Amino acid sequence: AQSVTQLDSHVSVSEGTPVLLRCNYSSSYSPSLFWYVQHPNKGLQLLLKYTSAATLVKGINGFEAEFKKSETSFHLTKPSAHMSDAAEYFCVVSRGGSYIPTFGRGTSLIVHP
Amino acid sequence: GAGVSQTPSNKVTEKGKYVELRCDPISGHTALYWYRQSLGQGPEFLIYFQGTGAADDSGLPNDRFFAVRPEGSVSTLKIQRTERGDSAVYLCASSLTGSLNTGELFFGEGSRLTVL
Repeated sequence: AQSVTQLDSHVSVSEGTPVLLRCNYSSSYSPSLFWYVQHPNKGLQLLLKYTSAATLVKGINGFEAEFKKSETSFHLTKPSAHMSDAAEYFCVVSRGGSYIPTFGRGTSLIVHP
Repeated sequence: GAGVSQTPSNKVTEKGKYVELRCDPISGHTALYWYRQSLGQGPEFLIYFQGTGAADDSGLPNDRFFAVRPEGSVSTLKIQRTERGDSAVYLCASSLTGSLNTGELFFGEGSRLTVL
């Protein structure tokens, strides 16, 4: 079985401060991990993905995530938040060989001016 | 169009009615997924097609839900005898190969279903 736990339902930051969205995964096999972003009334968009290459993955819009096998974590970070980053973020896991990605419950990122 | 297209964008129906939701994937994508997203939740897997066949339908909640993809392109999600609990946003996604190790999912904007 595979699952993801997003540890915070809401994260609130000020514009220009760092962002940390936490994700822990559970997978019986070597997982592929993804972060997706969902802006209001928009479709889900891939931010970045980890597929057993480099453990530090860079994505779009300055986001990055680090795969830590020992901690079963794949936290999403950004050095400096922008107002346009306000959205819902989903951590996604797919075990090796599985075609079915499993989504976390989501973390709502709120950015204050 | 270049992206995944879903119609209708909004559907309001009455309890007990039949509903069809359509998904037009990106041209050439062999894999197609349906997910359901309730308010405040992450997308929940319903069914996965590889070509014309349903490779995995383990997420369909009951036999009122059915999906087809007869020509390996457009897919239709069909819900019979709708219930208020079926109210959600139904998301469709397509992928080039279906392998999550190499590909990403491209999502449509969803069909919001409201059952009164």
